[in-house]
Amino acid sequence: EAGVVQSPRYKIIEKKQPVAFWCNPISGHNTLYWYLQNLGQGPELLIRYENEEAVDDSQLPKDRFSAERLKGVDSTLKIQPAELGDSAVYLCASGKGGTDTQYFGPGTRLTVL
Amino acid sequence: RKEVEQDPGPFNVPEGATVAFNCTYSNSASQSFFWYRQDCRKEPKLLMSVYSSGNEDGRFTAQLNRASQYISLLIRDSKLSDSATYLCVVIQGAQKLVFGQGTRLTINP
Repeated sequence: EAGVVQSPRYKIIEKKQPVAFWCNPISGHNTLYWYLQNLGQGPELLIRYENEEAVDDSQLPKDRFSAERLKGVDSTLKIQPAELGDSAVYLCASGKGGTDTQYFGPGTRLTVL
Repeated sequence: RKEVEQDPGPFNVPEGATVAFNCTYSNSASQSFFWYRQDCRKEPKLLMSVYSSGNEDGRFTAQLNRASQYISLLIRDSKLSDSATYLCVVIQGAQKLVFGQGTRLTINP
């Protein structure tokens, strides 16, 4: 069974530029999560989707971050404009919901110069 | 106070030793508890769930103490391959997952 797929794996941009990350969850998983992980810290939830509905986006900085999951499968996370402090690993995870196990993708390592 | 707290370490122990980590959580209404393992520059992966009755999986034992609001992970006969960061995860209301900072473990030959 294929795991969670993320692209790109690495991205280097200059500050104030836009950037987008893509995630394809495990087939059949209706719940999708985006996390941000800084060095030496645990993942922090940015947004959680149940199918195409964002059910928890309380931690998403909405002035510059946006996300979508239009057909309830793939998802895109965007930052515009990027700031130096956005440098981190952005992890996507999927699961069947509730307390079911979350499966993480390999992440996108973002560096903002 | 952080919702989920872990000692970041690093813990350096010799191969074959027994090592234990604790994790404390602040929300007494927390429902479910897990330990995840994260290797360097890799994604987190589920290690084991934590049940009130405690659970064991080979060399790994996880326990939950609801009264004191902490969970623990015990690794017996540690192997070099156990070197990783161990993340404590707590599920609060509305399926909100909260990760601890992680505890970094290095097993030395």
